[in-house]
Amino acid sequence: KQEVTQIPAALSVPEGENLVLNCSFTDSAIYNLQWFRQDPGKGLTSLLLIQSSQREQTSGRLNASLDKSSGRSTLYIAASQPGDSATYLCAVIRPTDSWGKLQFGAGTQVVVTP
Amino acid sequence: GAGVSQTPSNKVTEKGKYVELRCDPISGHTALYWYRQSLGQGPEFLIYFQGTGAADDSGLPNDRFFAVRPEGSVSTLKIQRTERGDSAVYLCASSLNEDSEAFFGQGTRLTVV
Repeated sequence: KQEVTQIPAALSVPEGENLVLNCSFTDSAIYNLQWFRQDPGKGLTSLLLIQSSQREQTSGRLNASLDKSSGRSTLYIAASQPGDSATYLCAVIRPTDSWGKLQFGAGTQVVVTP
Repeated sequence: GAGVSQTPSNKVTEKGKYVELRCDPISGHTALYWYRQSLGQGPEFLIYFQGTGAADDSGLPNDRFFAVRPEGSVSTLKIQRTERGDSAVYLCASSLNEDSEAFFGQGTRLTVV
């Protein structure tokens, strides 16, 4: 059974510092991996989707890498800002499943202090 | 609409009552997904529809939970004989088809008292 783990559960950094968020999964036979952001009381906003043949994706200050063989993905956020404060979730998709059938980690709650 | 819409945004109900949660997907999206998110946890998959039919209901926790999508657009998640443990945020997502990215709504926060 696939397990998705995110460590640490919470993280606080001063503004300007780079953020490194980790996601690990037990079954390397995944298809896609996706990173989301969730603000308090809100739904999920997709940040980056790494498809099966890719090893990383970049968008602005965000970069996500994927190493299937080691069962790990890392989300980097450069030069953090207070507006980056949120919970970040990673999710994996099995090869046989629809892209919307996601298995999520519990998330890392990030606070960026001014 | 521009995004996935869920109503109501908040619902408080008494233990034992029946509730319905509504999801209005992005226009033209054929796939629709329901998730449940408990406090401090990631969302857990409940059920997904392709068109009008439930393609995968493996995540429904028990037979008190049921979902429909009669016309292939709006979906309703129905919970009978609610229990306090059903309190959670229920999220809906939709995608153009089964092999495309899903977009999430804002969720319905259900509180069973």
